[in-house]
Amino acid sequence: GAGVSQTPSNKVTEKGKYVELRCDPISGHTALYWYRQSLGQGPEFLIYFQGTGAADDSGLPNDRFFAVRPEGSVSTLKIQRTERGDSAVYLCASSLTSGETDTQYFGPGTRLTVL
Amino acid sequence: KQEVTQIPAALSVPEGENLVLNCSFTDSAIYNLQWFRQDPGKGLTSLLLIQSSQREQTSGRLNASLDKSSGRSTLYIAASQPGDSATYLCAVSGYSSASKIIFGSGTRLSIRP
Repeated sequence: GAGVSQTPSNKVTEKGKYVELRCDPISGHTALYWYRQSLGQGPEFLIYFQGTGAADDSGLPNDRFFAVRPEGSVSTLKIQRTERGDSAVYLCASSLTSGETDTQYFGPGTRLTVL
Repeated sequence: KQEVTQIPAALSVPEGENLVLNCSFTDSAIYNLQWFRQDPGKGLTSLLLIQSSQREQTSGRLNASLDKSSGRSTLYIAASQPGDSATYLCAVSGYSSASKIIFGSGTRLSIRP
């Protein structure tokens, strides 16, 4: 595809449930990033993949959050035992490599609402 | 810990005016600084990226400057148009992890026709 796509665009779930959020990066991009954006705030870094491996997962808030990228392309962010505080827009981005001059291209995000 | 601050949080100006958005960061050891635009319900679009060795970047009506020593950047928008209405986010990446971008909270800009 032409850009980064994310599915679903909206997800409503109940507290305690498990959710998966999917990101399809731009074809050929080796680096993939997940961010979380709360209302009125800038995006907050969660995790970054270079290829299949998580190069930096220091932004994951706790062990309920996990992300995978098994084939170095599509990535899934998984949240267990969701809490109301997890409600936010989850943004995915990709870049050609992870160099300092590489622009990150963002998807439209998945709006997660935990009731 | 790097912190990025943007002032003002919101700005409304009449069409045609030139305007400046401000960004400050606490740790001057950065790899680069970027300005992004975010439209409601959409992802972020990178507008300008300034490498740590550069002082400014220009694209069309946009000009971004970087003063690493003082921890400041400005985004200058010339001859503003209603289509410029959006949230503008400043973000930096640091030496410890060049790919980990730290964002400010943004300035919500509204251009009145």
